[in-house]
This record gives sequence, C-alpha cells and structure tokens, in this order.
Amino acid sequence: EVQLVESGGGLVQPGGSLRLSCAASGFTFSRYWMYWVRQAPGKGLVWVSRIKTDGSSTSYADSVKGRFTISRDNAKNTLYLQMNSLRAEDTAVYYCAREHLTETAVDNWGQGTLVTVSS
Amino acid sequence: QSVLTQPPSVSGAPGQRVTISCTGSSSNIGAGYDIHWYQQLPGVAPKLLISGNSNRPSGVPDRFSGSKSGTSASLAISGLQAEDEADYYCQSFDSSLSGYVFGTGTKVTVL
Repeated sequence: EVQLVESGGGLVQPGGSLRLSCAASGFTFSRYWMYWVRQAPGKGLVWVSRIKTDGSSTSYADSVKGRFTISRDNAKNTLYLQMNSLRAEDTAVYYCAREHLTETAVDNWGQGTLVTVSS
Repeated sequence: QSVLTQPPSVSGAPGQRVTISCTGSSSNIGAGYDIHWYQQLPGVAPKLLISGNSNRPSGVPDRFSGSKSGTSASLAISGLQAEDEADYYCQSFDSSLSGYVFGTGTKVTVL
C-alpha cells in the first residue's frame, strides 16, 4: 500500500524557516516525480513545487520561488521542502504527493501537515 | 487567482446529472496539456478522479466522466449520490507560468 506521511509542520514566526519531510513507503520512490501542494484554510489547492526522480530537475510556483527548496533522498525514501522567509500567506496545509508514472496527474496524496505563520 | 476557472458551486438532486466546467486558455488546456480531476471530501486529502482528460483510475465509479474541447474541460457526474458531495478541482500545466495549476474549485451539493 502506498503511504506518504508528512511531518515538520507547526507554528513559525514571519521571516522564519521550516523544513517539511515526507516519508514514502509501499512503492519504488526513486521511480516517481514528486510534488508539494498546499491549501490555505478554507481555500483551494495550489501547486507549490515538483522534483524529478533523481532530483536533477525542480520547478516552483512563482509565489515561493527563491524562498522554498524541494529536495529528495532516494536512499531514505524521503521528500523534503525547505521553507525560508516565511510569510503569513504561506499558512496552509502542505501535502506531499506522488505523480502518476505515465501522466502528470497526482495519483497519491499524504494526509498533509499544517504550517502556520504568525507572530 | 488561478488561470483555470471553475464555477464556485453546482447542485443537483439525487440521481441527476451535473457537470463542472474548467475554463482555461491557449497556454494550458488549449495548448493540448492534459486535464486531471480530483475530489476532496471534507477534511481529507484530495483523491484522483480522472486523469489524462477522460481516464478513470481503478476504483472510480463510471458515473464520473471527463472530456476536453478547445480551451475548456468538463467533469460530469451522472446518477448523483449523497456521497458525491465534495469539492472538485481540475489541474493542468500552464506554459506561461511554466508550472502546474489547479482550478478554482467547485463545491457540489446534493439537494
């Protein structure tokens, strides 16, 4: 069974940093592109970032470019999101997600971890 | 604000058919990029409903169907059931943004 378990969320002050982790199991992690998607309270889904199977290619939404860094450790089956210079508008549930093997759809999602940016 | 626009809400009685539109532009749907649809029940993570414009993953009832034409796409739910009450999102790639985008989301209410 595919499992994606996020951790690392919490309360952080504006301008602060946080690192999210996503532990993957039940599939060959190194074969899949991975995503981070976020959802502010009561709002819609927003794509944040995407990383290639071997970590050699990454892409970001304009709203986080230059502040967030996606990475992965295939030996540990873990996806990361380093978030710096956090703003109030970054407050959201952050989902780790797996891209389908042959399409750009997200076929599995984690349960999400809440990040709250507030003083 | 998303580049993929959906109606905020649609509703229907049990057994009826409802459709949700996803309107884009020449840099996303109109450029030929695939559309995917997700269902999000209250308080849980989204679930893939339709991939590649019209493909249903294993386990998704055939009451759900997807289509695409020009710069728009649609999700249809036939034989509406109470358990279909949820938020629905479309997703595609946008070449102008060089990134993936989700639609604004549609809340389906079963009357």
